[in-house]
Amino acid sequence: EAGVTQSPTHLIKTRGQQVTLRCSPISGHTSVYWYQQALGLGLQFLLWYDEGEERNRGNFPPRFSGRQFPNYSSELNVNALELEDSALYLCASSYWVGTNTGELFFGEGSRLTVL
Amino acid sequence: GQQLNQSPQSMFIQEGEDVSMNCTSSSIFNTWLWYKQEPGEGPVLLIALYKAGELTSNGRLTAQFGITRKDSFLNISASIPSDVGIYFCAAILQTGANNLFFGTGTRLTVIP
Repeated sequence: EAGVTQSPTHLIKTRGQQVTLRCSPISGHTSVYWYQQALGLGLQFLLWYDEGEERNRGNFPPRFSGRQFPNYSSELNVNALELEDSALYLCASSYWVGTNTGELFFGEGSRLTVL
Repeated sequence: GQQLNQSPQSMFIQEGEDVSMNCTSSSIFNTWLWYKQEPGEGPVLLIALYKAGELTSNGRLTAQFGITRKDSFLNISASIPSDVGIYFCAAILQTGANNLFFGTGTRLTVIP
């Protein structure tokens, strides 16, 4: 069974540009989560999508947005990139049944460098 | 937001030694979890704890959900080189909530 897949694995952008990151969850999982892992800051919760809807978002500015498609894959968009957006962006999926057991399955991440 | 204080930040130990790390918070959580992240990979769940006072083992790993619900610890016994990685504690504030709050991680290096 394929795990969570993310693309691209690495990318370099310049300040002010826009980026789109993609995530395919494990088959059967309806929930997709996005986390930002900046150096020394652990994992910061960005967004949670379930059944095509945004269910919750973390403490990030509106230039961080995303969506979930009918096939449960997801995109994370970041507009007007800033240097501090450089980080590993991790996508995770789970099967949401109304009770979160905490077991998220993570992809390998997309490493974004903003110059 | 809720902050999980994880310590130590890094550890260098000899193969065969035991390891202990912990996570504390000023907030009360209903679920505590421990994840491990190896280089180039996403975090993988090691142990999940759902009840205050619960002590759970997974092979050489043992974790406990603190009685106050504000802390948790993870022990690794008889460390081996493949234990190398970053260990994250994580916690869920409310049953049914989706947000996992993560600690800043403990980077473990095992010297053969």
